[in-house]
Amino acid sequence: DVKVTQSSRYLVKRTGEKVFLECVQDMDHENMFWYRQDPGLGLRLIYFSYDVKMKEKGDIPEGYSVSREKKERFSLILESASTNQTSMYLCASSLGARRTRIYFGEGSWLTVV
Amino acid sequence: AQSVAQPEDQVNVAEGNPLTVKCTYSVSGNPYLFWYVQYPNRGLQFLLKYITGDNLVKGSYGFEAEFNKSQTSFHLKKPSALVSDSALYFCAVRVRFNTDKLIFGTGTRLQVFP
Repeated sequence: DVKVTQSSRYLVKRTGEKVFLECVQDMDHENMFWYRQDPGLGLRLIYFSYDVKMKEKGDIPEGYSVSREKKERFSLILESASTNQTSMYLCASSLGARRTRIYFGEGSWLTVV
Repeated sequence: AQSVAQPEDQVNVAEGNPLTVKCTYSVSGNPYLFWYVQYPNRGLQFLLKYITGDNLVKGSYGFEAEFNKSQTSFHLKKPSALVSDSALYFCAVRVRFNTDKLIFGTGTRLQVFP
């Protein structure tokens, strides 16, 4: 079974801190994604990556950056956390061919105080 | 603009009754449509997808969805609801050819009462 692992389930950070959210997948998937989930807004795509060191902005990239140095790992970085970034963050991956499904991690709850 | 709409924030149904969770979409070209389910404090799990072919798609846990091109809808259905089906359901559509980039609806909370 495909496993997408988000290393931190619950984090509390202070305003202005630099925050790293890590995600690892074990199925050699080409594509990886970071989504943000907020009540009433559903899931919104922050960034996605279709290959090592390749990335593309999603719908809400402001205030975020990403890093993909290895195929299995995709990191989301909040350069200077703000309270409006308090949210649930979901990492996902997919094989990369058309018609494939996306596999999600369990999510990381981030609270910025 | 491409979009997905889930018009109901919450759907309530009694156990044993049929359930429907609604989804409409707006995309250019042929749509690739998906349903995902999220249980409390968990990530999303894949239920089913429509790519092409039969308009009635069968998925996990006894769920099915009906693709209706004329109404641009992809409603999720189950003949007999279980209390354990209570969860948050998301409809999604692929937005770019040859990628797995999806946009999601806002979600519908399904509550099944015993």
